[in-house]
Amino acid sequence: DQQVKQNSPSLSVQEGRISILNCDYTNSMFDYFLWYKKYPAEGPTFLISISSIKDKNEDGRFTVFLNKSAKHLSLHIVPSQPGDSAVYFCAASVIYNQGGKLIFGQGTELSVKP
Amino acid sequence: DTEVTQTPKHLVMGMTNKKSLKCEQHMGHRAMYWYKQKAKKPPELMFVYSYEKLSINESVPSRFSPECPNSSLLNLHLHALQPEDSALYLCASSQLGQGGEQYFGPGTRLTVT
Repeated sequence: DQQVKQNSPSLSVQEGRISILNCDYTNSMFDYFLWYKKYPAEGPTFLISISSIKDKNEDGRFTVFLNKSAKHLSLHIVPSQPGDSAVYFCAASVIYNQGGKLIFGQGTELSVKP
Repeated sequence: DTEVTQTPKHLVMGMTNKKSLKCEQHMGHRAMYWYKQKAKKPPELMFVYSYEKLSINESVPSRFSPECPNSSLLNLHLHALQPEDSALYLCASSQLGQGGEQYFGPGTRLTVT
C-alpha cells in the first residue's frame, strides 16, 4: 500500500518556465512533507519542507503548496533552470521522540531544456 | 555544515564475505538512519538510531547488522548477503523533534556477486 504517490514519472519543461511537480498521500497523520532532489549516484538533497498545519512555504525559486482536504502537495519551481534537471522525491514524515520516519514517493524525473 | 560522509563509495562482495559500511556526521544530530535504494525506486527505511540506541528496525533480515559506536558514527555490518541485496545504501541524520529534515550522505553502491 503506497502511502505517498507521485503519479508522473517524468516531466519536461522549457528553461525559464514553471515546473510543477505533484504528490498525493493517503495518511492524515503525517507531520511534515518534504521535497528532495536527487542526481544519479548521489544521495538525496533536501530542498524544502512544509508542516502539515501550513498550506504554503516558499524558499527562493521553490514553493510548496499543501492541500490537506485533497491530500495533495505540489512543488513549484520558477523560473526553471537546466541545473534543476534531476529526480525529485516527495516524502512524508512521521516524527517520533526517537527520530523521524520518511516515506518517499516513487519520484519524478524533471528535465529542463535550454 | 550539512555533510554526511559514507565509505566506501563502491563495494563488491561475495555472498560469503563480511564487510561493513561506515557513515559519519558532525552536525550534532542525535538521530541517524540507514536506507536502501534499488534502481528506479525510492529510498526505503531500514533502521533508525536515536541517542545511539536502535529505535526502529523495519523488519530487516539479520544479515544486516547496524551499530552506532557514538553519536557521530553509524555502521552497517554485512554478512552472507544475497545478490538481491545489491543496491545503493544511504545514511542520513537529523535533529530530534524538529521539522523532519533528514540529511543524506552520497551512499555506498553495493554489488553482491
